[in-house]
Amino acid sequence: EPEVTQTPSHQVTQMGQEVILRCVPISNHLYFYWYRQILGQKVEFLVSFYNNEISEKSEIFDDQFSVERPDGSNFTLKIRSTKLEDSAMYFCASSGVNTEAFFGQGTRLTVV
Amino acid sequence: RKEVEQDPGPFNVPEGATVAFNCTYSNSASQSFFWYRQDCRKEPKLLMSVYSSGNEDGRFTAQLNRASQYISLLIRDSKLSDSATYLCVSGDSSYKLIFGSGTRLLVRP
Repeated sequence: EPEVTQTPSHQVTQMGQEVILRCVPISNHLYFYWYRQILGQKVEFLVSFYNNEISEKSEIFDDQFSVERPDGSNFTLKIRSTKLEDSAMYFCASSGVNTEAFFGQGTRLTVV
Repeated sequence: RKEVEQDPGPFNVPEGATVAFNCTYSNSASQSFFWYRQDCRKEPKLLMSVYSSGNEDGRFTAQLNRASQYISLLIRDSKLSDSATYLCVSGDSSYKLIFGSGTRLLVRP
């Protein structure tokens, strides 16, 4: 069964450092997303990406965040200068047209 | 007001019990609805989509009431493996998903 894969599974970084979280969406999907979940809280939408551009972003997705699809398979989330409050589980998801979204297993980001 | 609201639980039920979860959503423009299941520290996994006509998948039945902006999930004959957090989710026209905070279910032997 096709699946969304994310790397790394766990990333520890120092405050102020840049991190790149990587995702390989399901191959025939067209819509890509990043969500985050702070420990004990709900899953929150960050950004959606379609046709090589951002289609929507939330208030959380400020100038410190960026997304990229550098090639035909990868979809990345970059946080330029991490803060302690960026510590969370980051989930990548993908969907086709009028199909449900499937999530990767997540990257746990710990900012120290 | 929260966009998607759920009772956090926990619901603690014996094996074999029937349990029902409810959820309300505030955005009347929401176009799609889902129940996802999330195990501790894992990713959300799609359980089922929810339609106005109601849909059933084995022991699970989901129902949508657009007039009341209300979504339900019924689990019959609960199994120990059903223990998880159940996330009520709405989607808009851009396929963005809005998650509720989840309802925790504990099924005891």
